[in-house]
Amino acid sequence: EAGVVQSPRYKIIEKKQPVAFWCNPISGHNTLYWYRQNLGQGPELLIRYENEEAVDDSQLPKDRFSAERLKGVDSTLKIQPAELGDSAVYLCASSSGTENEKLFFGSGTQLSVL
Amino acid sequence: SQQGEEDPQALSIQEGENATMNCSYKTSINNLQWYRQNSGRGLVHLILIRSNEREKHSGRLRVTLDTSKKSSSLLITASRAADTASYFCATDPSGNTPLVFGKGTRLSVIA
Repeated sequence: EAGVVQSPRYKIIEKKQPVAFWCNPISGHNTLYWYRQNLGQGPELLIRYENEEAVDDSQLPKDRFSAERLKGVDSTLKIQPAELGDSAVYLCASSSGTENEKLFFGSGTQLSVL
Repeated sequence: SQQGEEDPQALSIQEGENATMNCSYKTSINNLQWYRQNSGRGLVHLILIRSNEREKHSGRLRVTLDTSKKSSSLLITASRAADTASYFCATDPSGNTPLVFGKGTRLSVIA
């Protein structure tokens, strides 16, 4: 069974540029999460989807961040414009239920904003 | 915000020794999970313990949960160099609230 797939693995951009991250969850997983992980810290939730619906986006900086999950499968997270403080690893995870059973994580996208 | 807080922040042991990591949290929980993260990789689920459980085992892993003290511990017995990673606890504050991760413990197992 394929795991959670994320791309790209690395991205280097200059500040004020846009950037997008893509995630393909495990087949059949209805719940999809985007987390941000700063160096030396644990992951912090940005947004959670149940199928196509964003059910928790309270931590998403909506002035510059946006996300979508078309057809309840793949998801894209976008930052426009990027700031220096956005440098972090962006992790996508999926799970099969809504009761916080175990999450399956992708390898993440490491973003460096110069 | 991060609810769980792991202790110690970093731990270095010799291969074959046991490693113990602790996690404290602030609010009532439904369950607590432990994850491992190798350098440059995503997190991997290790074990889940529910609020009505006190101890759980999985291979060389032993997890305890004390809800009265709002704390959990992860014990890795007979550690191996391959156990070198960061370990995170994650709490489920209520039924439909996303998991909240701690800052992690960085474990180094020296061969």
